[in-house]
Amino acid sequence: EPEVTQTPSHQVTQMGQEVILRCVPISNHLYFYWYRQILGQKVEFLVSFYNNEISEKSEIFDDQFSVERPDGSNFTLKIRSTKLEDSAMYFCASSAYAAFFGQGTRLTVV
Amino acid sequence: KQEVTQIPAALSVPEGENLVLNCSFTDSAIYNLQWFRQDPGKGLTSLLLIQSSQREQTSGRLNASLDKSSGRSTLYIAASQPGDSATYLCAVNNNDMRFGAGTRLTVKP
Repeated sequence: EPEVTQTPSHQVTQMGQEVILRCVPISNHLYFYWYRQILGQKVEFLVSFYNNEISEKSEIFDDQFSVERPDGSNFTLKIRSTKLEDSAMYFCASSAYAAFFGQGTRLTVV
Repeated sequence: KQEVTQIPAALSVPEGENLVLNCSFTDSAIYNLQWFRQDPGKGLTSLLLIQSSQREQTSGRLNASLDKSSGRSTLYIAASQPGDSATYLCAVNNNDMRFGAGTRLTVKP
């Protein structure tokens, strides 16, 4: 069964560093999303991406964040100058109709 | 901005009980609504998708309904089992899929 794949599963980074989280969506899906979930809190929408551009973004998705689809298969979330409060699970999802989620990347900023 | 609310926040039931989880949303101009399950420390597993033109969807012991005009959806779980214990999340999609905070379900043997 097709699935959304995220790498790495866990990343530890020092405050102020840049991180890139990677996602391989399901191949025939056209919509892509990034979410974050701070420990014990709700799943928060960051950004949706369609037709090689951002279609919606939340108030969380400020200049610190960017997304790219560098090739036909990968979808990345870049976080610049990480802060302690960026520590969270980051989920990628893709959809044609129903959305399917990856298993997440646990980002720890120290 | 779409606001999604799930009630109750937590629910504990004995095995075998039928139960209903509730989801409400503020903007009825949606494409679809999706129910997910999340186990602790894990990703989200899709349970049911209801398109905006549909009233309900069923999968096994799960039945989800949608009343778009009143901004409500329910997830009905029949004959609950301990393996159903998880957090259940409702997500409403109008280009930016927004989640409720979830209902944490515990089914006791």
